[in-house]
Amino acid sequence: EDQVTQSPEALRLQEGESSSLNCSYTVSGLRGLFWYRQDPGKGPEFLFTLYSAGEEKEKERLKATLTKKESFLHITAPKPEDSATYLCAVQATGTYKYIFGTGTRLKVLA
Amino acid sequence: NAGVTQTPKFRILKIGQSMTLQCTQDMNHNYMYWYRQDPGMGLKLIYYSVGAGITDKGEVPNGYNVSRSTTEDFPLRLELAAPSQTSVYFCASSYEGVAKNIQYFGAGTRLSVL
Repeated sequence: EDQVTQSPEALRLQEGESSSLNCSYTVSGLRGLFWYRQDPGKGPEFLFTLYSAGEEKEKERLKATLTKKESFLHITAPKPEDSATYLCAVQATGTYKYIFGTGTRLKVLA
Repeated sequence: NAGVTQTPKFRILKIGQSMTLQCTQDMNHNYMYWYRQDPGMGLKLIYYSVGAGITDKGEVPNGYNVSRSTTEDFPLRLELAAPSQTSVYFCASSYEGVAKNIQYFGAGTRLSVL
């Protein structure tokens, strides 16, 4: 069964304290792995798509990486405005359905 | 460019009542999805559609119905509302191209069934 597990559930960082969020996945064949940011009371906002092991993508302080079993979202020198829930999702080959993890709630303290 | 628009934003239903959650997208996406999100949980897929006239069940379809008569609209129908359907509902649409799939979400409908 296709499955996505995110860790940690919650993370508190001081401003400038870099860290990584983990997304472990089990899927028969990977069509894509997706990272989203969700602010309280809003819908998820797309960040990155990764398609194959070894691929990396960056946007401002965020960098996403992918292996055959997991993905990491690295946050470098975070700021309070990076506080949000980060969701990971996978899409298996042969389907257009997305399977989401439960997310990591990130709080960055000034 | 509005993207994905959901109405209403909030609704309170009594047990046994019915309602339709509206979803419209203006990006000409063929693929549309309905999810529910319970507190502290990820998104669970209710139904999805790969084009007008074509719908299929997701993980948690019981108690819901959908239709897709146009590319733009994908309404979600709740029949005989139950407290277990209290949740936040998100509609999404996507372009599914090779190495180009991105899913866009609406702002959500917060539903309470009392």
